[in-house]
Amino acid sequence: EDKVVQSPLSLVVHEGDTVTLNCSYEVTNFRSLLWYKQEKKAPTFLFMLTSSGIEKKSGRLSSILDKKELSSILNITATQTGDSAIYLCAVPPPMYSGGGADGLTFGKGTHLIIQP
Amino acid sequence: KAGVTQTPRYLIKTRGQQVTLSCSPISGHRSVSWYQQTPGQGLQFLFEYFSETQRNKGNFPGRFSGRQFSNSRSEMNVSTLELGDSALYLCASSFGVNTEAFFGQGTRLTVV
Repeated sequence: EDKVVQSPLSLVVHEGDTVTLNCSYEVTNFRSLLWYKQEKKAPTFLFMLTSSGIEKKSGRLSSILDKKELSSILNITATQTGDSAIYLCAVPPPMYSGGGADGLTFGKGTHLIIQP
Repeated sequence: KAGVTQTPRYLIKTRGQQVTLSCSPISGHRSVSWYQQTPGQGLQFLFEYFSETQRNKGNFPGRFSGRQFSNSRSEMNVSTLELGDSALYLCASSFGVNTEAFFGQGTRLTVV
């Protein structure tokens, strides 16, 4: 059974700090790893990392995949109060029979709180 | 481009009743997946539909079922509701192979 573990489960920092969120995974046949940000309801997509795309960056957010260590980190620099959210990491299952997204296995998430 | 639309946004039901939730995917997306989110268990996969066929199913009892229509819209049904079914139900759609899933705003179901 696929497993995704995120750490820390919660984190409180001050505005302007840099944070690093961790995600480790155990999957039978790795395809990709996804990061989502969930503020109120809908998780919003941040990054997808694959064997051919192990590093992604968008503004103050960046993510790296370490296939050797079976892990990924999500970095947020110069944090702002708007970054407060739950950050979720997920992996798709190994079996794949065609187009579309299969059931993602999610970690429990990191609840990040940015204090002004 | 419209996002994933879920209706209704909120529902209150009584134990023993049944409920149907609806999800309209992003135009052009053929895959729809459903997830249950609770504070204790996090996000858990319910099932996934592609071209009206259920391709994948999570570890939930048979009271949870779903279907997909020819226009890719999907519904999920929960029968004989239990208090523990209270959760946020999220639907996600995606376009194709190994592509990211986009989530709707969810339906908050409360069972009393």
